[in-house]
Amino acid sequence: AQSVTQLGSHVSVSEGALVLLRCNYSSSVPPYLFWYVQYPNQGLQLLLKYTTGATLVKGINGFEAEFKKSETSFHLTKPSAHMSDAAEYFCAVTTLTTTSGTYKYIFGTGTRLKVLA
Amino acid sequence: EAGVVQSPRYKIIEKKQPVAFWCNPISGHNTLYWYLQNLGQGPELLIRYENEEAVDDSQLPKDRFSAERLKGVDSTLKIQPAELGDSAVYLCASSLGGVPQETQYFGPGTRLLVL
Repeated sequence: AQSVTQLGSHVSVSEGALVLLRCNYSSSVPPYLFWYVQYPNQGLQLLLKYTTGATLVKGINGFEAEFKKSETSFHLTKPSAHMSDAAEYFCAVTTLTTTSGTYKYIFGTGTRLKVLA
Repeated sequence: EAGVVQSPRYKIIEKKQPVAFWCNPISGHNTLYWYLQNLGQGPELLIRYENEEAVDDSQLPKDRFSAERLKGVDSTLKIQPAELGDSAVYLCASSLGGVPQETQYFGPGTRLLVL
């Protein structure tokens, strides 16, 4: 069964510092991987996703993530944090189950990013 | 383009009362999802529709929860009767079609408080 683990429920960085949010997954078949951001009282918004091809994926707002199959990881980074990046970030994985032909999104528990002035 | 619309945004009810949430997906999106999001947790799928057909309702507590998507457009999620543990945010999302690599577009959610 697939699952997603986000290390660190809370991460604090200084404005201008590197942002690194960790995500590890487990899946028996090649996964599709996503990062979503959720601002207070809003729904989730896609930052970026990996489906096939290039393993380094660039997203909105200067974020990027690298799919590392050998490490089963999909960590999210941004070179320089901005105050507006403060939000909750969710990693998600989907895989197609070959037995039933269905798929399901599995979300991690989220990482709350705090940006310090 | 209008996003996913949900109403109400907030709902406070007493336990054992019924409650209903409504969702209007993005126009042209065939797939609709209902998620439950507890405080400090990620969304958990309750039910997924492809057009008007519920293709995955394995996580829907069918003793008290029901959902419908008549005509394959908007959808209603109902809880009857509500329990204290149902207090959470109920998110609706939609996507163009039913493939796992598609982006889901989320509404703002309905925050339910059961007293």
